[in-house]
Amino acid sequence: GAVVSQHPSRVICKSGTSVKIECRSLDFQATTMFWYRQFPKKSLMLMATSNEGSKATYEQGVEKDKFLINHASLTLSTLTVTSAHPEDSSFYICSARESGRPNTEAFFGQGTRLTVV
Amino acid sequence: SQKIEQNSEALNIQEGKTATLTCNYTNYSPAYLQWYRQDPGRGPVFLLLIRENEKEKRKERLKVTFDTTLKQSLFHITASQPADSATYLCALDEANTGKLIFGQGTTLQVKP
Repeated sequence: GAVVSQHPSRVICKSGTSVKIECRSLDFQATTMFWYRQFPKKSLMLMATSNEGSKATYEQGVEKDKFLINHASLTLSTLTVTSAHPEDSSFYICSARESGRPNTEAFFGQGTRLTVV
Repeated sequence: SQKIEQNSEALNIQEGKTATLTCNYTNYSPAYLQWYRQDPGRGPVFLLLIRENEKEKRKERLKVTFDTTLKQSLFHITASQPADSATYLCALDEANTGKLIFGQGTTLQVKP
């Protein structure tokens, strides 16, 4: 099956610094990728939709200046958590579907565990 | 408001038994519904997709049903094994957006 690679899998950063998380589709093209956040024992909360070549669209309540998304190519989307604070500590997961096949399964990255100290 | 609800409590069963998980939704009219498995500290993995015109779908020991009148999907694992222990998530597409919206998941524990 298709593979989505997310990096890093774990990161610890100091308050006030920024962290970049990469999401790559390895064997397919994805014009759209999705970023989720997951709290312990909770479901995935959709944060934003990353659109190749255009601005990301954010879900209600998600600060676009805090969570910067860039989708520079058909295989790469990045999420930057800016000026991170301890409350940003969470599990972040990206997903993608093959371009031109919207009504099919989504492929997920391995997730990134962010800890802000 | 739109909701996707799964068994909120963990499900504990004995090895060899059938596990049945439920997913109910309100204020959605999905053309299809999906089930995923998530292990701790990992991203979800796709299991099955069922379309609105399909009543049932099977894949090895897995079976999914979809009742658009009841607005419910059931997910069955037959002859369960300890390796089936994980959290299972149902998901719906938000109409014409490509976004997948997830239920809160049900954690299944299969005891040997």
